[in-house]
Amino acid sequence: GAVVSQHPSWVICKSGTSVKIECRSLDFQATTMFWYRQFPKQSLMLMATSNEGSKATYEQGVEKDKFLINHASLTLSTLTVTSAHPEDSSFYICSARAWRDPQETQYFGPGTRLLVL
Amino acid sequence: AQSVAQPEDQVNVAEGNPLTVKCTYSVSGNPYLFWYVQYPNRGLQFLLKYITGDNLVKGSYGFEAEFNKSQTSFHLKKPSALVSDSALYFCAVMRAGRRALTFGSGTRLQVQP
Repeated sequence: GAVVSQHPSWVICKSGTSVKIECRSLDFQATTMFWYRQFPKQSLMLMATSNEGSKATYEQGVEKDKFLINHASLTLSTLTVTSAHPEDSSFYICSARAWRDPQETQYFGPGTRLLVL
Repeated sequence: AQSVAQPEDQVNVAEGNPLTVKCTYSVSGNPYLFWYVQYPNRGLQFLLKYITGDNLVKGSYGFEAEFNKSQTSFHLKKPSALVSDSALYFCAVMRAGRRALTFGSGTRLQVQP
């Protein structure tokens, strides 16, 4: 149980285009999902917290108009990188917290590697 | 503000020997502490967590961690390392309010045959 998937697993795009990344909880309902970014040989940095049915909460320094987050259902959150630039190239990882889990465990997706040319 | 420190960038250990990966934390209130493992080009896999109760927590793949409140530490341990344990290990603390995780910088574990 507690499986989180991400799609696509990797994507290459041209500068200026938009890229959508999906995060799905496959066998549980997730009221809260989190989006992280990881640069090579570095730790995960939280970008935003996504709550089902409401606006995402962004961390300081993260542009909400550039990184659009939608959490339309209890099993799906999407991150759209708009007008992508080479500096947006990174490894994007989502996590999901199960509905009514008192122990607050987050389960992570396999990540999406984005390369912007 | 919450923070996590993993003082070692890399830990090297011979197969069959015990291993320890260190983690110290700073958080207001009672901490929720987690260990995750990351294999190359993969997401994070949950190993174990401390929420409350027994200070010694047992997790996946034979790993365990000990919560020490006085030393604000949550070191990851395993009695006998395997080559397949070689990976990147992250300690994390739950942030109050937003319920998002704050991660340490990660420790690369290298187990030599």
